[in-house]
Amino acid sequence: GAGVSQSPRYKVAKRGQDVALRCDPISGHVSLFWYQQALGQGPEFLTYFQNEAQLDKSGLPSDRFFAERPEGSVSTLKIQRTQQEDSAVYLCASKLSRDFLYEQYFGPGTRLTVT
Amino acid sequence: AQSVTQLGSHVSVSEGALVLLRCNYSSSVPPYLFWYVQYPNQGLQLLLKYTSAATLVKGINGFEAEFKKSETSFHLTKPSAHMSDAAEYFCAVSGRSFNKFYFGSGTKLNVKP
Repeated sequence: GAGVSQSPRYKVAKRGQDVALRCDPISGHVSLFWYQQALGQGPEFLTYFQNEAQLDKSGLPSDRFFAERPEGSVSTLKIQRTQQEDSAVYLCASKLSRDFLYEQYFGPGTRLTVT
Repeated sequence: AQSVTQLGSHVSVSEGALVLLRCNYSSSVPPYLFWYVQYPNQGLQLLLKYTSAATLVKGINGFEAEFKKSETSFHLTKPSAHMSDAAEYFCAVSGRSFNKFYFGSGTKLNVKP
């Protein structure tokens, strides 16, 4: 079966541009997570959705970051007026249920480079 | 508050040798602990998890980890390294909600022939 997919896999943006990163979770997975992984670091939590509801956005670094999941499936992470410190790999993960018995499945990530 | 420290950003072992990757955690609540592996250009894959059942947890690919509350540790081991084990390994801690993971900075494992 298909795993979590993310697009684009690579994105180069000029400083100040807006970008949109897409995540297609595994079909039927109700929980969806976004993480930011800077070079040489572990993933850092950005935000979490349960279906279409964004239940936790405490990790979003600034109001330039915005995430949505309007129909409870595909999610988009939008970064406005990109800055060089936004350069990182953005990982998406999905989970069948919020129950701890279920595993988070990670996508391959989108590598964003801001020049 | 929760956090994870991974000692050693790079570990190099010979094929067939013991693999030991260190993870220490800090948590104000009973922790749930995880080890993930990341191959180049791939997403993270769960190796094993501790969720307050047995303290010795066995995972995929021959890896295991032992939860030691007194040492606040959850080190990852494998008796005999294989070339295919070369990857980056991340330790993570979660609270009861399981909806926010805190990852360590990762350890890159190199396996020499």
